[in-house]
Amino acid sequence: DVKVTQSSRYLVKRTGEKVFLECVQDMDHENMFWYRQDPGLGLRLIYFSYDVKMKEKGDIPEGYSVSREKKERFSLILESASTNQTSMYLCASSSGVNTEAFFGQGTRLTVV
Amino acid sequence: DQQVKQNSPSLSVQEGRISILNCDYTNSMFDYFLWYKKYPAEGPTFLISISSIKDKNEDGRFTVFLNKSAKHLSLHIVPSQPGDSAVYFCAASALSGNQFYFGTGTSLTVIP
Repeated sequence: DVKVTQSSRYLVKRTGEKVFLECVQDMDHENMFWYRQDPGLGLRLIYFSYDVKMKEKGDIPEGYSVSREKKERFSLILESASTNQTSMYLCASSSGVNTEAFFGQGTRLTVV
Repeated sequence: DQQVKQNSPSLSVQEGRISILNCDYTNSMFDYFLWYKKYPAEGPTFLISISSIKDKNEDGRFTVFLNKSAKHLSLHIVPSQPGDSAVYFCAASALSGNQFYFGTGTSLTVIP
Protein backbone atom coordinates (compact mmCIF):
# COMPACT_ATOMS: atom_id res chain seq x y z
CA ASP A 1 0.00 0.00 0.00
CA VAL A 2 1.44 3.34 -1.08
CA LYS A 3 2.21 5.79 1.63
CA VAL A 4 3.02 9.43 2.26
CA THR A 5 3.75 10.06 5.90
CA GLN A 6 3.91 13.42 7.60
CA SER A 7 5.80 13.56 10.87
CA SER A 8 3.10 15.23 12.98
CA ARG A 9 -0.69 15.39 12.89
CA TYR A 10 -0.90 18.42 15.18
CA LEU A 11 1.67 21.05 16.13
CA VAL A 12 1.51 24.16 18.27
CA LYS A 13 4.39 26.62 17.92
CA ARG A 14 5.15 30.10 19.16
CA THR A 15 5.54 33.15 16.96
CA GLY A 16 9.12 33.53 15.78
CA GLU A 17 10.04 29.86 16.17
CA LYS A 18 11.68 27.95 13.33
CA VAL A 19 9.39 25.07 12.40
CA PHE A 20 10.20 21.91 10.47
CA LEU A 21 7.52 19.79 8.80
CA GLU A 22 8.76 16.46 7.51
CA CYS A 23 7.31 14.27 4.78
CA VAL A 24 8.41 10.83 3.63
CA GLN A 25 7.10 8.76 0.70
CA ASP A 26 7.78 5.12 -0.03
CA MET A 27 6.80 5.05 -3.70
CA ASP A 28 10.09 6.20 -5.26
CA HIS A 29 8.26 9.21 -6.72
CA GLU A 30 10.20 11.95 -8.47
CA ASN A 31 7.82 14.78 -7.59
CA MET A 32 6.94 16.01 -4.13
CA PHE A 33 4.74 18.93 -3.13
CA TRP A 34 3.82 21.04 -0.13
CA TYR A 35 0.37 22.64 0.01
CA ARG A 36 -1.54 24.53 2.61
CA GLN A 37 -5.31 24.34 2.92
CA ASP A 38 -7.34 27.22 4.27
CA PRO A 39 -11.15 27.60 4.34
CA GLY A 40 -12.45 29.10 1.12
CA LEU A 41 -9.02 29.10 -0.49
CA GLY A 42 -8.60 25.43 -1.37
CA LEU A 43 -5.17 23.89 -1.72
CA ARG A 44 -2.44 26.38 -2.48
CA LEU A 45 1.00 25.22 -3.60
CA ILE A 46 3.90 26.44 -1.48
CA TYR A 47 6.86 24.62 -3.05
CA PHE A 48 7.47 21.54 -5.12
CA SER A 49 10.46 19.43 -6.05
CA TYR A 50 10.91 17.29 -9.16
CA ASP A 51 14.25 15.78 -8.18
CA VAL A 52 16.68 15.54 -5.30
CA LYS A 53 18.08 18.95 -4.38
CA MET A 54 15.78 20.60 -6.95
CA LYS A 55 12.98 22.90 -5.84
CA GLU A 56 10.60 25.38 -7.36
CA LYS A 57 8.39 28.02 -5.82
CA GLY A 58 4.68 27.56 -5.94
CA ASP A 59 2.02 30.22 -5.54
CA ILE A 60 2.73 31.23 -1.93
CA PRO A 61 6.43 30.60 -1.06
CA GLU A 62 6.94 33.68 1.10
CA GLY A 63 7.98 32.79 4.65
CA TYR A 64 8.79 29.18 3.71
CA SER A 65 11.74 27.21 2.47
CA VAL A 66 12.19 23.54 1.59
CA SER A 67 14.84 20.88 1.58
CA ARG A 68 15.12 17.67 -0.42
CA GLU A 69 18.36 15.89 0.34
CA LYS A 70 17.00 12.40 -0.37
CA LYS A 71 14.44 11.29 -2.92
CA GLU A 72 11.98 10.00 -0.33
CA ARG A 73 12.03 13.01 2.02
CA PHE A 74 10.78 16.56 1.49
CA SER A 75 10.90 19.04 4.36
CA LEU A 76 9.04 22.32 4.71
CA ILE A 77 10.65 24.97 6.90
CA LEU A 78 8.94 27.99 8.39
CA GLU A 79 11.88 30.29 9.01
CA SER A 80 10.11 32.42 11.63
CA ALA A 81 6.58 31.25 12.32
CA SER A 82 3.80 33.82 12.27
CA THR A 83 0.14 33.57 13.23
CA ASN A 84 -0.93 33.85 9.58
CA GLN A 85 0.85 30.55 8.94
CA THR A 86 -1.67 28.75 11.11
CA SER A 87 -3.10 26.25 8.64
CA MET A 88 -3.42 22.64 7.50
CA TYR A 89 -0.25 21.60 5.67
CA LEU A 90 -0.41 18.77 3.15
CA CYS A 91 2.46 16.93 1.55
CA ALA A 92 1.98 14.98 -1.68
CA SER A 93 4.03 12.93 -4.10
CA SER A 94 3.57 11.73 -7.66
CA SER A 95 5.47 10.00 -10.41
CA GLY A 96 4.36 12.65 -12.90
CA VAL A 97 1.63 15.18 -13.60
CA ASN A 98 -0.35 12.79 -15.81
CA THR A 99 -1.06 10.51 -12.89
CA GLU A 100 -2.52 10.99 -9.46
CA ALA A 101 -0.73 12.58 -6.54
CA PHE A 102 -0.86 10.83 -3.18
CA PHE A 103 -1.31 12.90 -0.06
CA GLY A 104 -0.17 12.52 3.50
CA GLN A 105 -2.60 12.80 6.39
CA GLY A 106 -1.85 16.48 6.92
CA THR A 107 -0.35 18.53 9.74
CA ARG A 108 -2.57 21.00 11.55
CA LEU A 109 -0.18 23.76 12.61
CA THR A 110 -1.24 26.41 15.08
CA VAL A 111 1.06 29.38 15.68
CA VAL A 112 0.34 31.27 18.88
CA ASP B 1 -5.37 34.11 -10.77
CA GLN B 2 -7.31 30.95 -10.04
CA GLN B 3 -6.93 28.63 -13.02
CA VAL B 4 -9.29 25.99 -11.63
CA LYS B 5 -12.59 27.13 -10.16
CA GLN B 6 -15.30 25.44 -8.18
CA ASN B 7 -18.05 28.03 -7.93
CA SER B 8 -20.29 26.14 -5.53
CA PRO B 9 -18.82 26.11 -2.01
CA SER B 10 -21.46 23.67 -0.80
CA LEU B 11 -24.07 21.19 -1.99
CA SER B 12 -26.73 19.19 -0.14
CA VAL B 13 -28.31 16.08 -1.61
CA GLN B 14 -30.72 13.44 -0.35
CA GLU B 15 -29.37 9.92 0.09
CA GLY B 16 -29.94 7.84 -3.03
CA ARG B 17 -30.12 10.83 -5.37
CA ILE B 18 -27.48 12.07 -7.77
CA SER B 19 -24.76 14.51 -6.67
CA ILE B 20 -23.26 16.69 -9.38
CA LEU B 21 -20.14 18.68 -8.59
CA ASN B 22 -18.84 21.16 -11.13
CA CYS B 23 -15.44 22.54 -11.99
CA ASP B 24 -14.25 25.09 -14.57
CA TYR B 25 -10.75 25.81 -15.78
CA THR B 26 -9.15 28.56 -17.80
CA ASN B 27 -5.88 27.12 -19.08
CA SER B 28 -6.31 25.34 -22.43
CA MET B 29 -2.99 23.56 -21.87
CA PHE B 30 -4.49 21.41 -19.11
CA ASP B 31 -4.80 17.84 -20.33
CA TYR B 32 -5.27 15.78 -17.18
CA PHE B 33 -7.98 16.26 -14.57
CA LEU B 34 -8.54 14.68 -11.19
CA TRP B 35 -11.08 14.64 -8.38
CA TYR B 36 -10.12 14.24 -4.74
CA LYS B 37 -12.24 13.69 -1.67
CA LYS B 38 -11.23 15.09 1.71
CA TYR B 39 -12.58 14.41 5.18
CA PRO B 40 -11.80 16.86 8.00
CA ALA B 41 -8.36 16.43 9.58
CA GLU B 42 -7.28 14.00 6.85
CA GLY B 43 -5.35 14.31 3.62
CA PRO B 44 -7.19 14.27 0.27
CA THR B 45 -7.71 10.87 -1.31
CA PHE B 46 -7.77 10.34 -5.05
CA LEU B 47 -11.17 9.47 -6.51
CA ILE B 48 -11.10 9.46 -10.28
CA SER B 49 -9.28 11.09 -13.17
CA ILE B 50 -9.75 11.78 -16.85
CA SER B 51 -7.39 12.50 -19.69
CA SER B 52 -8.27 15.16 -22.26
CA ILE B 53 -8.49 12.50 -24.97
CA LYS B 54 -11.65 11.22 -23.30
CA ASP B 55 -14.95 12.88 -22.45
CA LYS B 56 -16.11 10.41 -19.82
CA ASN B 57 -14.60 8.09 -17.25
CA GLU B 58 -16.55 5.87 -14.91
CA ASP B 59 -15.59 4.02 -11.74
CA GLY B 60 -18.43 2.43 -9.83
CA ARG B 61 -20.73 5.14 -8.50
CA PHE B 62 -18.42 7.90 -9.73
CA THR B 63 -18.37 9.32 -13.24
CA VAL B 64 -16.38 12.29 -14.47
CA PHE B 65 -17.42 14.17 -17.61
CA LEU B 66 -15.13 16.51 -19.51
CA ASN B 67 -16.29 19.20 -21.92
CA LYS B 68 -13.11 20.61 -23.43
CA SER B 69 -14.80 23.25 -25.55
CA ALA B 70 -16.49 24.68 -22.45
CA LYS B 71 -13.44 24.05 -20.24
CA HIS B 72 -15.73 22.33 -17.79
CA LEU B 73 -15.75 19.07 -15.92
CA SER B 74 -18.21 17.52 -13.57
CA LEU B 75 -18.29 14.66 -11.10
CA HIS B 76 -21.47 12.62 -10.80
CA ILE B 77 -22.08 10.40 -7.79
CA VAL B 78 -24.97 7.96 -8.15
CA PRO B 79 -26.48 6.96 -5.81
CA SER B 80 -25.23 9.34 -3.15
CA GLN B 81 -24.54 7.88 0.29
CA PRO B 82 -24.03 9.58 3.69
CA GLY B 83 -20.40 8.44 3.66
CA ASP B 84 -19.87 10.59 0.57
CA SER B 85 -20.23 13.70 2.73
CA ALA B 86 -16.84 15.41 2.39
CA VAL B 87 -15.09 18.24 0.59
CA TYR B 88 -14.39 17.51 -3.07
CA PHE B 89 -11.52 19.15 -4.92
CA CYS B 90 -10.96 19.13 -8.62
CA ALA B 91 -7.44 19.48 -9.96
CA ALA B 92 -5.79 19.90 -13.34
CA SER B 93 -2.34 19.53 -14.81
CA ALA B 94 -0.53 19.94 -18.10
CA LEU B 95 1.88 17.31 -19.38
CA SER B 96 4.20 20.14 -20.33
CA GLY B 97 4.20 21.39 -16.74
CA ASN B 98 5.12 19.86 -13.42
CA GLN B 99 2.44 20.78 -10.93
CA PHE B 100 -1.23 20.30 -10.14
CA TYR B 101 -3.68 23.18 -9.85
CA PHE B 102 -6.53 22.76 -7.39
CA GLY B 103 -9.93 24.35 -7.10
CA THR B 104 -11.27 25.77 -3.84
CA GLY B 105 -13.44 22.76 -3.09
CA THR B 106 -17.14 21.93 -2.75
CA SER B 107 -18.48 20.63 0.54
CA LEU B 108 -21.00 17.87 -0.16
CA THR B 109 -23.55 16.87 2.47
CA VAL B 110 -25.62 13.77 1.81
CA ILE B 111 -28.73 13.79 3.97
CA PRO B 112 -29.96 10.37 5.19
